[in-house]
Amino acid sequence: KAGVTQTPRYLIKTRGQQVTLSCSPISGHRSVSWYQQTPGQGLQFLFEYFSETQRNKGNFPGRFSGRQFSNSRSEMNVSTLELGDSALYLCASSSGQGMNTDTQYFGPGTRLTVL
Amino acid sequence: QQQVKQSPQSLIVQKGGISIINCAYENTAFDYFPWYQQFPGKGPALLIAIRPDVSEKKEGRFTISFNKSAKQFSLHIMDSQPGDSATYFCAASTIYRGSTLGRLYFGRGTQLTVWP
Repeated sequence: KAGVTQTPRYLIKTRGQQVTLSCSPISGHRSVSWYQQTPGQGLQFLFEYFSETQRNKGNFPGRFSGRQFSNSRSEMNVSTLELGDSALYLCASSSGQGMNTDTQYFGPGTRLTVL
Repeated sequence: QQQVKQSPQSLIVQKGGISIINCAYENTAFDYFPWYQQFPGKGPALLIAIRPDVSEKKEGRFTISFNKSAKQFSLHIMDSQPGDSATYFCAASTIYRGSTLGRLYFGRGTQLTVWP
């Protein structure tokens, strides 16, 4: 089974721009979560989508948004980029329901640099 | 506010030694505690996980010890190898209808270096 894939792997943007990141989950997984990883704050949860609906949300400003398509692929958008948005953005997929531990499988991440 | 506190921040162990990483939490609603391993340039990968109904779980050289009353859990890596050098994250979550609802609360991570 193919793992979680994320595109692009690296991005360089300037302040004020917007960016869209993409995540393809493991086949059969219906849940996709997004995390931001930085040296200062560690791994922080952004939001989770399950069957095209946002089911859970972390404490990030509205500039961070996402969506999920009918094939479970997900995109994350950040508008009006700030320098502090520079981070590794990780996507994780899981079955989303019915499993006792609902293991999350992470992709390799997208490294976003904001200049 | 960090919901899961992890220590130490870094750890150096000789090959063949035991690596021990500790985590503590406050939220008694947490009932799922996974450990993740992350290599440079890669996403975190699940190593081992435990539910509060057991006090210990072992998988190969990796053991989780769980103390519900103290709200602490730890990862022990026996016979540590240079290939174990990575960053380790503890995490916690609640389970609702068999799902974490995608949200894990992570510790800050421990950078483990195993000297050959």
